[in-house]
Amino acid sequence: QKEVEQNSGPLSVPEGAIASLNCTYSDRGSQSFFWYRQYSGKSPELIMSIYSNGDKEDGRFTAQLNKASQYVSLLIRDSQPSDSATYLCAAVPGYSTLTFGKGTMLLVSP
Amino acid sequence: GAVVSQHPSRVICKSGTSVKIECRSLDFQATTMFWYRQFPKQSLMLMATSNEGSKATYEQGVEKDKFLINHASLTLSTLTVTSAHPEDSSFYICSAKPTRGRGGYTFGSGTRLTVV
Repeated sequence: QKEVEQNSGPLSVPEGAIASLNCTYSDRGSQSFFWYRQYSGKSPELIMSIYSNGDKEDGRFTAQLNKASQYVSLLIRDSQPSDSATYLCAAVPGYSTLTFGKGTMLLVSP
Repeated sequence: GAVVSQHPSRVICKSGTSVKIECRSLDFQATTMFWYRQFPKQSLMLMATSNEGSKATYEQGVEKDKFLINHASLTLSTLTVTSAHPEDSSFYICSAKPTRGRGGYTFGSGTRLTVV
């Protein structure tokens, strides 16, 4: 079974800290990885995509991919209360459709 | 960027009636679109994969006769909830991926369905 695993949280961090969100996947054939942010009552919003090993930075967000360890992470620097949301990790296993983890709730306290 | 429009955003209907939800890709073509359902405080659940010009593929446990999907063009997929019941009340979200490129899937804004 092709799975994407995330800790459900909540992950609580103070404002200004670095939030680290982690995700593992089971299918070694996965080539594409995504992080989505979902605010309560809203639909998911794509915030990062990563396809090759290493780091990819976009503003305060850094996605990290380690295919050997089958591990994807998202770092949020200078966390803000507005970053409080559920973060969904997703992977495309082989030629299958996008597979989501259950999401990690992030709470950033002022 | 890729934009997916979904409407209505909210709908309240009576038990036994049918509701149609539309999902449009505005600036790209999508041969495949996806329909999800999300109950409060739960994760996204993929209901079905909508394929342009062919029958939809439903996930296990999803009644295809109750949730009718039509993907008549490269930019439009519709989900019709037939004979709706209160237990069908949920947040329905569509998503699409551009036919070309390997970018992430874009989600519509979702439809909050309440069956009374």
